[in-house]
Amino acid sequence: DAGITQSPRHKVTETGTPVTLRCHQTENHRYMYWYRQDPGHGLRLIHYSYGVKDTDKGEVSDGYSVSRSKTEDFLLTLESATSSQTSVYFCAISGAATSEQYFGPGTRLTVT
Amino acid sequence: GQQVMQIPQYQHVQEGEDFTTYCNSSTTLSNIQWYKQRPGGHPVFLIQLVKSGEVKKQKRLTFQFGEAKKNSSLHITATQTTDVGTYFCADSSNTGKLIFGQGTTLQVKP
Repeated sequence: DAGITQSPRHKVTETGTPVTLRCHQTENHRYMYWYRQDPGHGLRLIHYSYGVKDTDKGEVSDGYSVSRSKTEDFLLTLESATSSQTSVYFCAISGAATSEQYFGPGTRLTVT
Repeated sequence: GQQVMQIPQYQHVQEGEDFTTYCNSSTTLSNIQWYKQRPGGHPVFLIQLVKSGEVKKQKRLTFQFGEAKKNSSLHITATQTTDVGTYFCADSSNTGKLIFGQGTTLQVKP
C-alpha cells in the first residue's frame, strides 16, 4: 500500500463543533484529494489540491474547507459540523492528474 | 455537472457464475479507471482505459471501453468468494478530478 495515513480513524462529535481531519503521505505525490462516501452515492469529491497552497472545490464542498501548507499534509476542516456530514471520509493521492489514485484507510465521522 | 451511471447497484451470484458491471455516461468519457473496495476497506485501483474500444484483461477480469467512449464494462469470469466487494468506475480528466459512478456491490455465495 502507498504511504498514506489518515487521522483520526474514528471520531464522534457534536453538532456545531469544529472538526479537522488529517491526511499524511510519504510518497511526495503532487495531488491530494478528500472524498466522502455515503450509501447510494459512491465516492464524492469534496476538495482537492494540485500543489502546496493550491486547492480547488469538488462537487460537495459546501461546509468544508481545506489547507495544504506542506506537500505531505492535506487537512479537511468542518467549521461547524452538522449531522448531514456524518460519513466516511477518504483521502487519496496521485502523482499526476490522470494517474491512478491511492486511497487512505478512511475516517469514520459521526456527528450527533 | 457530468454524471457517471453504474449498473446494477447490487448483484448476488453463485460462486463460479460470471458477473458484469456497466458504466455509462451521456457525455464522452476522458479516461476510465476501475477500483475495487472490499467490505470495510478502501478503494484500490484496478486499471485505467484510455483508448476507444480498448480491452484489457487481468486474469479473470476483462475491462472494456466503448467505441464512442461513453461506456465501459468490467466482466468477471467464474467468480470466487475473493471477488466480493464494490466495484467503481470513474471518469478521469486532465483536471485531476475523478467522477465516480455509484458502484456495484457484488456478493458471491459459496
